[in-house]
Parts: sequence; C-alpha cells; structure tokens
Amino acid sequence: DQQVKQNSPSLSVQEGRISILNCDYTNSMFDYFLWYKKYPAEGPTFLISISSIKDKNEDGRFTVFLNKSAKHLSLHIVPSQPGDSAVYFCAATSGTYKYIFGTGTRLKVLA
Amino acid sequence: DVKVTQSSRYLVKRTGEKVFLECVQDMDHENMFWYRQDPGLGLRLIYFSYDVKMKEKGDIPEGYSVSREKKERFSLILESASTNQTSMYLCASSLAVQGATDTQYFGPGTRLTVL
Repeated sequence: DQQVKQNSPSLSVQEGRISILNCDYTNSMFDYFLWYKKYPAEGPTFLISISSIKDKNEDGRFTVFLNKSAKHLSLHIVPSQPGDSAVYFCAATSGTYKYIFGTGTRLKVLA
Repeated sequence: DVKVTQSSRYLVKRTGEKVFLECVQDMDHENMFWYRQDPGLGLRLIYFSYDVKMKEKGDIPEGYSVSREKKERFSLILESASTNQTSMYLCASSLAVQGATDTQYFGPGTRLTVL
C-alpha cells in the first residue's frame, strides 16, 4: 500500500524552463511534507518542506505547493538548470519521526 | 553543517556472511535511521533509534539487527547476508525537537552487493 506516490518515474525539461514534479498521498493524517534531491552515489539532501497549514513555500528557484483537498503536492523549479538533474523524492510525515517516501522522479535538464 | 558518514561506499559480500554497516554523525543528534533504497520502491525504513541502546523496528526489519552503543554511532547488522539484501543502504540522523518535525540528514550511502 503506497501511501506516497510519484507517478512519473522520469521527466525531461529544457534548461531555463519550468520543471514540475508531482506527488500524491493517501493518508489525511500527514501534516508535513518534504522534498529531497539525490545525485547518483550520494545520499539524499534536503531541499524544501511545507507544513499542512500552508499551501505554498518558496526558497529561491524552488517552490512547493500543497493542495490538501486533492492530497497533492508539487515541486516547481524555475528556471531549471543542468545541475538540477537528479532523482527527487517527496516524503510525508504525521508529526512523528517516521517519513514515508515516494518512489522518486528522475529529472533530466537538457542544456 | 551536519555530517553523516558511512564506513564504506561499496561492499561486496558472500551469501551467509555477517555484514556490519557503520554510520557516524557529528551533530549530537538523538535520532538515527537506517533505510534501504531499491529501484521503484523508494526509501524504506529498516530500523530507527531515538537514544543510546534504544531502537524500534521500521517497515522492513526482517534479516537485520542494529546496535547503538554511543550516541553518534549506529550500526546495521546483516546476520546472514542473502542476495535479496543487495541494495543501497542509507543512514540518516535528526535532532529530536519536541513538538516539531525534524529534518533528516543522510549519509552518502553504502552500495552492498551480496553474491
């Protein structure tokens, strides 16, 4: 039972354009969401998070949007850069130590 | 900066061997975690520790055990390695903040191959 789903295994975007990565969840108890970025042969690094009391959080080129009624969150990267090419994982938690991770989306930014 | 280090980047072991994966964090974090990452399955929690000598099972603890004798060090043990334990193993740590959600910081991972 996959509580956090990333339905697109991969995404290709031209440099300078917007990248939109999507994540759906099923558990309405989740109240905090995170995005991690992972390069090959490295551990995931924290990118951005959002609490369920907000619907948007921005950090530079990265914005996370949360739609609680649809149980959907998305990560927008504008403008996309070749260095953004990585696997992106969304994660959700219900206020405990336990994160539930999605399966990841591989983003490729084409120069 | 939080630093989480893992003892090996790549490891090759034979079926039936006992395998130790070591993780050390330098930020005095209370919480430490072991995950495995497999294609199409994301990151799955194996074990979690919230204090020295304290541990809880995650989603897939079968075939694994853990040890936390010192706050900064968390070991994952495969008692008798099997081929289905071939995977990327990731250690993470977080500061236990009362009433708030902690950010987990990950090590670089150990790619374990069991032959």
